[in-house]
Amino acid sequence: DVKVTQSSRYLVKRTGEKVFLECVQDMDHENMFWYRQDPGLGLRLIYFSYDVKMKEKGDIPEGYSVSREKKERFSLILESASTNQTSMYLCASSSPAGFFYEQYFGPGTRLTVT
Amino acid sequence: AQSVTQPDIHITVSEGASLELRCNYSYGATPYLFWYVQSPGQGLQLLLKYFSGDTLVQGIKGFEAEFKRSQSSFNLRKPSVHWSDAAEYFCAVGAREYGNKLVFGAGTILRVKS
Repeated sequence: DVKVTQSSRYLVKRTGEKVFLECVQDMDHENMFWYRQDPGLGLRLIYFSYDVKMKEKGDIPEGYSVSREKKERFSLILESASTNQTSMYLCASSSPAGFFYEQYFGPGTRLTVT
Repeated sequence: AQSVTQPDIHITVSEGASLELRCNYSYGATPYLFWYVQSPGQGLQLLLKYFSGDTLVQGIKGFEAEFKRSQSSFNLRKPSVHWSDAAEYFCAVGAREYGNKLVFGAGTILRVKS
């Protein structure tokens, strides 16, 4: 079974803090994704990566950046957290490279920015 | 623009009753189709998928879905709902002409009454 893990289930940060959300997958998947989930809006893609050190913007990249230094790890960075970034963040992975459809998700990180 | 519509925000069914969750999409060609389930506080779990072939697909937990090209629909069904099926259900669609990304519906929250 594919396992995608996220470093924290719940996180509380203050406005202006730099926030790191970590995601690790153990199935050697090439593609990794970060989404945010808000009630009534479904999932919206923030960034994705199809290879180490490669990244592509999704639909809502503003205020976020990502890092992929190793194949199994994909980090989401909030450079200066704001209250409108309070949300559930979901990481996902898929394979093979460039096949983005059948994605496997982690348990999510619920981030609250106060 | 591409879109995935789940017309029902909430659905309540009695335990043991049948269930149908609706999903419509706005793509021209045959897309890749998915249903995911999310239990409270959890990530998304893949229920079933359609890529090609038989338009009736079987998934886990007794769910099935039918692809109807003429209606651009991919409705999820279960003949007899169990209390443990209470969750949020997401339809997702992927297509090459839309950047090879998964586009998610806004979700349907299923409540099961005993």
